Amino acid sequence: NAGVMQNPRHLVRRRGQEARLRCSPMKGHSHVYWYRQLPEEGLKFMVYLQKENIIDESGMPKERFSAEFPKEGPSILRIQQVVRGDSAAYFCASSRDGVVNTEAFFGQGTRLTVV
Amino acid sequence: SQQGEEDPQALSIQEGENATMNCSYKTSINNLQWYRQNSGRGLVHLILIRSNEREKHSGRLRVTLDTSKKSSSLLITASRAADTASYFCATDSRMDSSYKLIFGSGTRLLVRP
Repeated sequence: NAGVMQNPRHLVRRRGQEARLRCSPMKGHSHVYWYRQLPEEGLKFMVYLQKENIIDESGMPKERFSAEFPKEGPSILRIQQVVRGDSAAYFCASSRDGVVNTEAFFGQGTRLTVV
Repeated sequence: SQQGEEDPQALSIQEGENATMNCSYKTSINNLQWYRQNSGRGLVHLILIRSNEREKHSGRLRVTLDTSKKSSSLLITASRAADTASYFCATDSRMDSSYKLIFGSGTRLLVRP
């Protein structure tokens, strides 16, 4: 059973470009969470999705950021018109039944660098 | 807002010694999870302890939970250089509209060979 797969591992974008981060949850997991981590800091919640639904996007900036988890395919975190402040590590986690009941497993992350 | 806070922020010990890290949280929880993160890598799930459990073991790891004090501790016995990493606690918190894991700022553990 493969773990949570994120790609790309590293992404370099120029200011103003778009960044697309992908996350494939573990097999059988229907809950996906996206987090952002700055160097030497903890993880900050961004968005929680289930298949075709955004459950909670309270941690996601209102502008330029969007997320989806389609019926087929990976979850996508999309950042439009990136700025230097978007540079960070973005982690995706998945769980089978939601974190109230089950463990959440993380991917290796995507390190976004905006130049 | 921050839910969990780890203590200490940094810990340096000699190989073979035990390492204890503490985590405090603010709201009621269903469970608490501990994770390890090696530098530049993803998070590895270590252990989940439910609110009705007081102690849990996994290999050299021992986790305790005191819901009355809203605190948890992670003990690593007979530490090894490979245990050098950051350790985070995370609680399932119902903040805003859903339950999600809220992380503390972590304890950076250095195990000296």
